[in-house]
Amino acid sequence: EVQLVESGGGLVQPGGSLRLSCAASGFTFSSYEMNWVRQAPGKGLEWVSYITSSGSTIYYADSVKGRFTISRDNAKNSLFLQMNSLRAEDTALYYCARARGFTGLYDAWGQGILVTVSS
Amino acid sequence: EIVLTQSPGILTLSPGERATLSCRASQSVRSSYLAWYQQKPGQAPRLLIYGASSRATGIPDRFSGSGSGTDFTLTISRLEPEDFAVYHCQQYGYSPPFPFGPGTKVDVK
Repeated sequence: EVQLVESGGGLVQPGGSLRLSCAASGFTFSSYEMNWVRQAPGKGLEWVSYITSSGSTIYYADSVKGRFTISRDNAKNSLFLQMNSLRAEDTALYYCARARGFTGLYDAWGQGILVTVSS
Repeated sequence: EIVLTQSPGILTLSPGERATLSCRASQSVRSSYLAWYQQKPGQAPRLLIYGASSRATGIPDRFSGSGSGTDFTLTISRLEPEDFAVYHCQQYGYSPPFPFGPGTKVDVK
């Protein structure tokens, strides 16, 4: 069974940092592109970042570019999101999502982890 | 960047009725790279439809997708109690960004 389990969320002050992790199991992690997608409270879904299976190609949404860094460790079946200079508008449920092929089509999602940016 | 709009925002129906949800793109969606996801309260989204009209694995055939270009539709032929949820459309492809629509909530009457 495919499983994606996020961790590392919590409450942080504006300007602070957090590092999210996503532990993958039930599939060959190193063969899949991965993404972070977020959902602010009561709002729609927003794509955040994308990384290819090898980690060689990375993209970010304009809203997080220069502040967030996506990475992966294929030996440990793990995906990461380093979030710096956090703002109130970054408050959201962050999902780790597996992509199908080299696309933004998500066929597996974690349950999400809440990040709250507030003083 | 493509912007997706969904209508209506809320659709109030009874079990057994037909639901028709619309997703409109600000420019043509290449190769019909349009997906639909279902999200129930407290749960992650679930892939329903990809390529505008192909059902994902395990999705019942009461769900169908259609459309091309800028106009797409998700139809639920007969609503089951478990179908009351929020539905998101998304334009995907081989190059980010991968925008989502704001969602349509299918509510029980």
